[in-house]
Amino acid sequence: GENVEQHPSTLSVQEGDSAVIKCTYSDSASNYFPWYKQELGKGPQLIIDIRSNVGEKKDQRIAVTLNKTAKHFSLHITETQPEDSAVYFCAASKADSSYKLIFGSGTRLLVRP
Amino acid sequence: NAGVTQTPKFQVLKTGQSMTLQCAQDMNHNSMYWYRQDPGMGLRLIYYSASEGTTDKGEVPNGYNVSRLNKREFSLRLESAAPSQTSVYFCASSEREQGAGNTIYFGEGSWLTVV
Repeated sequence: GENVEQHPSTLSVQEGDSAVIKCTYSDSASNYFPWYKQELGKGPQLIIDIRSNVGEKKDQRIAVTLNKTAKHFSLHITETQPEDSAVYFCAASKADSSYKLIFGSGTRLLVRP
Repeated sequence: NAGVTQTPKFQVLKTGQSMTLQCAQDMNHNSMYWYRQDPGMGLRLIYYSASEGTTDKGEVPNGYNVSRLNKREFSLRLESAAPSQTSVYFCASSEREQGAGNTIYFGEGSWLTVV
């Protein structure tokens, strides 16, 4: 079955710097890759997603890139702010009958003021 | 707009006790899910219900049962709690099946400790 690995497990950056979180997946049939942000004491919330027919997607300060050949995708956050501090999860799924999302293990991002 | 509401938020159980986690969504979604979150392991799917009247096992179903009571409500039951079931549990819902490009909305979590 699908396996998603996420790195790093923790990331500390200075406010204003960029942050990059990387995920690799094992199943080449996977075609949907969402990213979730989880703030302390809250449930995860979708922040951006990408499908396999697109190489990059941007939404203000966040962007996701996908390399299907290498089977990895990344989350990029520019001009980081303290409110970006949270745990970020990547996930992957394929368009078959199961449609199940497999999550990475999470990255704890700390943005230092 | 409450979204996904789950209760209780915190619970301590003794080994062998039973309990039910309740979940309700007010978004008229067809699909509902139960996940558990453990440190360093991300979110793992326990059970899901693609539509009212159906339930299916996820990655880690052992020790759990579910009931899709109606379109709004999806409960998770621990029949005989074990310390390995200490975790944070999240209920979630989506308009259609997860992974098919449908946004999954999560509740705020239920912290369960089994002693």
